[in-house]
Amino acid sequence: EAGVTQFPSHSVIEKGQTVTLRCDPISGHDNLYWYRRVMGKEIKFLLHFVKESKQDESGMPNNRFLAERTGGTYSTLKVQPAELEDSGVYFCASSQTMGTEAFFGQGTRLTVV
Amino acid sequence: DQQVKQNSPSLSVQEGRISILNCDYTNSMFDYFLWYKKYPAEGPTFLISISSIKDKNEDGRFTVFLNKSAKHLSLHIVPSQPGDSAVYFCAASPTSGTYKYIFGTGTRLKVLA
Repeated sequence: EAGVTQFPSHSVIEKGQTVTLRCDPISGHDNLYWYRRVMGKEIKFLLHFVKESKQDESGMPNNRFLAERTGGTYSTLKVQPAELEDSGVYFCASSQTMGTEAFFGQGTRLTVV
Repeated sequence: DQQVKQNSPSLSVQEGRISILNCDYTNSMFDYFLWYKKYPAEGPTFLISISSIKDKNEDGRFTVFLNKSAKHLSLHIVPSQPGDSAVYFCAASPTSGTYKYIFGTGTRLKVLA
């Protein structure tokens, strides 16, 4: 069974540009989460989808971040326009039911220069 | 304000000995706790979890202890192996809402051969 996959694994963009990260959760997992780790600090929650619906987006930093999950399958996280402080590793995770362990992807390392 | 704290950024242990990783939390609404292990350039991997109705959960060499009155949990690895060298994240989940995980900053464990 394929795990959570994220694309790209690395992205280097200039300040002001747009970047779109993609996450393919484990098949059948209704719950999809985005997290971010900045500068070796804690892994911070960004938002949570249940199928195609945003269940909780309280962790989204600001309106430059837009997450979608059309059809309840894969998800995208777009940053537009990117700022220097957006640099970090963005993790996607999925779980079958809420409250159980989530399985993480390998992350996308975003560097904004 | 950080709700999940791992106060030891690093820990070194001799192979074969016990590794004890600690985690403290502040929110009494947390009722599900997890430990994740992370190798460089990979996403966090689920290791073990515990519900607040228990005070101990064991899985092979890994045991998690929960002390609710002290709002403290610990992960014991016995015996420690060089392959256990990684960053360990403690995570907690609130009772209600989206079951988003609140992570600590991680403890880097190094098991010396």
